[in-house]
Amino acid sequence: RKEVEQDPGPFNVPEGATVAFNCTYSNSASQSFFWYRQDCRKEPKLLMSVYSSGNEDGRFTAQLNRASQYISLLIRDSKLSDSATYLCVVVLSNDYKLSFGAGTTVTVRA
Amino acid sequence: EPEVTQTPSHQVTQMGQEVILRCVPISNHLYFYWYRQILGQKVEFLVSFYNNEISEKSEIFDDQFSVERPDGSNFTLKIRSTKLEDSAMYFCASRHYPNRVTEAFFGQGTRLTVV
Repeated sequence: RKEVEQDPGPFNVPEGATVAFNCTYSNSASQSFFWYRQDCRKEPKLLMSVYSSGNEDGRFTAQLNRASQYISLLIRDSKLSDSATYLCVVVLSNDYKLSFGAGTTVTVRA
Repeated sequence: EPEVTQTPSHQVTQMGQEVILRCVPISNHLYFYWYRQILGQKVEFLVSFYNNEISEKSEIFDDQFSVERPDGSNFTLKIRSTKLEDSAMYFCASRHYPNRVTEAFFGQGTRLTVV
């Protein structure tokens, strides 16, 4: 089983729509979780950290479900500029390596 | 805003040649990484470096690869004898402290093309 798995999509949504997708992780000892955003052929950039109680940053909401070992990202009121690949990143407790999922591609259309 | 910088942005090399990819991490960061991303594939961990030594390395990071922090600012990745399959985007990243909740900041990458 892969360390971090994501639905690759693509999610093709109209402007203003809500889109949500999950990421599952295999190691129950995982401690830290992040969503990064990657634009085509660019470096990954932090979108938001994911906290145990869930957290929101503007139109973006992240949730963590430890029991089922998944995190989620919800984007409300999608903008054209939200078109990107969203990378799920997990950090284990005993090392500080960031493990990446393969990414979920979101395309927002006018 | 402080940033991780990488040079060169693009390197073309012949198979079998040695390449050195350079990174300048954010100045007060202590934990450094190299990742690679083959076109169309996921971001893959290569190596992490802390306190002037390798903390962890992946199966990809074989004897052909080495890292060094030759001075107080640069962090380099050397590939001794490049292969066609080494063609990828190589990202350097740094973190302030190996605290598990601290995010990593990535450089803009070096696109390595082996011909």
